[in-house]
Amino acid sequence: SQKIEQNSEALNIQEGKTATLTCNYTNYSPAYLQWYRQDPGRGPVFLLLIRENEKEKRKERLKVTFDTTLKQSLFHITASQPADSATYLCALNYGGSQGNLIFGKGTKLSVKP
Amino acid sequence: GAVVSQHPSWVICKSGTSVKIECRSLDFQATTMFWYRQFPKQSLMLMATSNEGSKATYEQGVEKDKFLINHASLTLSTLTVTSAHPEDSSFYICSASDSGVTDTQYFGPGTRLTVL
Repeated sequence: SQKIEQNSEALNIQEGKTATLTCNYTNYSPAYLQWYRQDPGRGPVFLLLIRENEKEKRKERLKVTFDTTLKQSLFHITASQPADSATYLCALNYGGSQGNLIFGKGTKLSVKP
Repeated sequence: GAVVSQHPSWVICKSGTSVKIECRSLDFQATTMFWYRQFPKQSLMLMATSNEGSKATYEQGVEKDKFLINHASLTLSTLTVTSAHPEDSSFYICSASDSGVTDTQYFGPGTRLTVL
């Protein structure tokens, strides 16, 4: 079965530093991988999508990489701010349909001032 | 754009009663909507995929007779938890895709269900 792991349940960093979150997967080659932000008691908010033929994608202070050989995606937040504190989820599709997403458990990021 | 709403945001009910949760795409048409359940500190688990005008597709282990899904229009899907029990208490989240424009799912704010 498909397996997706975010190997840090929590990550604490100092404001201004770069946060790096890791997402690893096994048993499948997804066509794309997505990252979401989830605040307590709220639904996930879409951040970035990266496709299997893309190595890197950026959006403002966010950067995502996708290494299909390592079966790994890295999610970076540069110049982190306390407002970036949230749980970040990675999700990958495991089929042709848009609905076939499997989510990791998430990494709770805390940015200290 | 791409806003999805859910109603109610939270609900408390007695064991044995039924609860309906609505999911609406406010500014786009969604031929496909998805229903997830999330327990504390766990990942989102897909329960079912709802297609407008047809029967929902349920994931393995999800009882279709207990979790009734209706997708009557391109902007509305409903999830009814029938004969709710305390173990059904969870955070229910819907999402909608923009009909193939992108591969992105847009999530609602979630509904916290507590069954006493």
